[in-house]
Amino acid sequence: AQSVAQPEDQVNVAEGNPLTVKCTYSVSGNPYLFWYVQYPNRGLQFLLKYITGDNLVKGSYGFEAEFNKSQTSFHLKKPSALVSDSALYFCAVRTLGDMRFGAGTRLTVKP
Amino acid sequence: GAGVSQSPRYKVTKRGQDVALRCDPISGHVSLYWYRQALGQGPEFLTYFNYEAQQDKSGLPNDRFSAERPEGSISTLTIQRTEQRDSAMYRCASSFGAGAAGANVLTFGAGSRLTVL
Repeated sequence: AQSVAQPEDQVNVAEGNPLTVKCTYSVSGNPYLFWYVQYPNRGLQFLLKYITGDNLVKGSYGFEAEFNKSQTSFHLKKPSALVSDSALYFCAVRTLGDMRFGAGTRLTVKP
Repeated sequence: GAGVSQSPRYKVTKRGQDVALRCDPISGHVSLYWYRQALGQGPEFLTYFNYEAQQDKSGLPNDRFSAERPEGSISTLTIQRTEQRDSAMYRCASSFGAGAAGANVLTFGAGSRLTVL
């Protein structure tokens, strides 16, 4: 069975500082990994995905994520956080069929 | 359509009533997914379809929950004899491919918020 874990319920960073939102996964076979963001009272929006190739994936709004096979991780990163990045972030894993989501990490960026 | 459309956006019902939630996926999208999301939590997988075939229903909580997609487009999630614990946001998503579909992105609808009194 496939699953993801987001070990931090909450991440707080100051505006302008780098941010990291952690994700680890468990899957048999090659994983497809995704990050989604959810703003208040909104649906889930796709940020980026890892399929194959370069371990560093770049996505929307300046976000990037690094796939690390040995550590089974796919951490989301941004070099310089914005207040507008404050939202709920979900990591997800998929093999062929359904997509499974983590419990989410609430990111708060303070001015 | 241009996006994934769900209706109703809000549904309030009394315990014991049946409810039907509708999802109209992006035109041409083969795969359709249903999730349930509690406030502040991650989406919980319920079931998914490729075309009209239900591929996996392992996430449906019990036999009061069912879903169909008879013509491979619009899908209906039905909850019979609703209970208060069924209150949640129900989200539908669709994606383009079947087959090697793992790489395809899911596009989500705005959701249907169900409240069972």
